[in-house]
Amino acid sequence: AQSVTQPDIHITVSEGASLELRCNYSYGATPYLFWYVQSPGQGLQLLLKYFSGDTLVQGIKGFEAEFKRSQSSFNLRKPSVHWSDAAEYFCAVGPMEYGNKLVFGAGTILRVKS
Amino acid sequence: NAGVTQTPKFQVLKTGQSMTLQCAQDMNHNSMYWYRQDPGMGLRLIYYSASEGTTDKGEVPNGYNVSRLNKREFSLRLESAAPSQTSVYFCASSELFAGRGYTFGSGTRLTVV
Repeated sequence: AQSVTQPDIHITVSEGASLELRCNYSYGATPYLFWYVQSPGQGLQLLLKYFSGDTLVQGIKGFEAEFKRSQSSFNLRKPSVHWSDAAEYFCAVGPMEYGNKLVFGAGTILRVKS
Repeated sequence: NAGVTQTPKFQVLKTGQSMTLQCAQDMNHNSMYWYRQDPGMGLRLIYYSASEGTTDKGEVPNGYNVSRLNKREFSLRLESAAPSQTSVYFCASSELFAGRGYTFGSGTRLTVV
């Protein structure tokens, strides 16, 4: 069965510092991979996605993620964090099939200190 | 603006009461989903509808029912609410092949007392 692990429940970084959020998945084939962000009291917004091609994908708000097949990972990165990036981040995996369903990780809460 | 609309945004129920959460999308998506979000557990799929006329159970369907009223609307019903159903509920939609990801509504915060 598919699963997604986000090992860090909370991460605190200083404004201007770099960020890496970890995501590991379990799936039998190359999956579709997503990162979503949820600001307090809001729904989830898609940051970026990967399904084929270049393993380094660019998203909105200056985020990028790298797919590493050998490590079953899809880590999210940002070179310089802004206070407005404080939110909860979810990694998700989905199969390449009809009417597919995404499986979400438990989320990582990012705190940004000034 | 185009997107997924959920109503209500907040609701408090007494144990045993029933209610229906409404969801509508105007993106002509085929597939729709209901998730619940609980602290530390991420989002768990309750029910989904791959296309109009079909519904299937997800990971945590017990205590819920759904109706895919038409292509736009997908409702979630709690027949007899329990405190364990206190959660934030999200509706989402996608194309039949969800390679572009989901579009989420803004959520319904439900408290059962």
